[in-house]
Amino acid sequence: GQQVMQIPQYQHVQEGEDFTTYCNSSTTLSNIQWYKQRPGGHPVFLIQLVKSGEVKKQKRLTFQFGEAKKNSSLHITATQTTDVGTYFCAGRDAYSGAGSYQLTFGKGTKLSVIP
Amino acid sequence: NAGVTQTPKFRVLKTGQSMTLLCAQDMNHEYMYWYRQDPGMGLRLIHYSVGEGTTAKGEVPDGYNVSRLKKQNFLLGLESAAPSQTSVYFCASNREGWSEQYFGPGTRLTVT
Repeated sequence: GQQVMQIPQYQHVQEGEDFTTYCNSSTTLSNIQWYKQRPGGHPVFLIQLVKSGEVKKQKRLTFQFGEAKKNSSLHITATQTTDVGTYFCAGRDAYSGAGSYQLTFGKGTKLSVIP
Repeated sequence: NAGVTQTPKFRVLKTGQSMTLLCAQDMNHEYMYWYRQDPGMGLRLIHYSVGEGTTAKGEVPDGYNVSRLKKQNFLLGLESAAPSQTSVYFCASNREGWSEQYFGPGTRLTVT
């Protein structure tokens, strides 16, 4: 079945440093979504990417979708303590009809920010 | 507008006991999902529903049953709880199958 790998599993950064998490799928994706989960909280949607090579920005966050639609990345510039949490990517298999409603989540990257 | 709510928030069960987790959404969403989250495992889909009266299996359906008798509610049942079902359970919903998912606050279940 479809697998979504996410690296690194953990990242500790000094406040003000940049952070990047990478997501790779074993299959081509129709779209990819990114979620953030604060400690003790629930996942909250950040963004969805649909087009090959798409780049979207939200303030200090930059999201990219690979040309082959099999990988994606989230980059945070100048991290702040409010960025603490676990970031998940989640992809939908492009060629699975029955699975078109199913998102496969990566295991997440847990970000710690040292003030 | 409460969004997605889940009851209960916490529960401790003994092995073999049964229980039902309730998920409710007030956004008139067609699609609803049940996930479990275990440390280091991300979110794994248990069952989902594409509309009232429908259910389908996800990645890890064994040991669970679901029902969607009303559009706004999605119930997850454990008929005979096992320690391996100790987890945090999240319900989610979305308007279209491809759109952003809205998650509930979660239910922390411990099976002893």
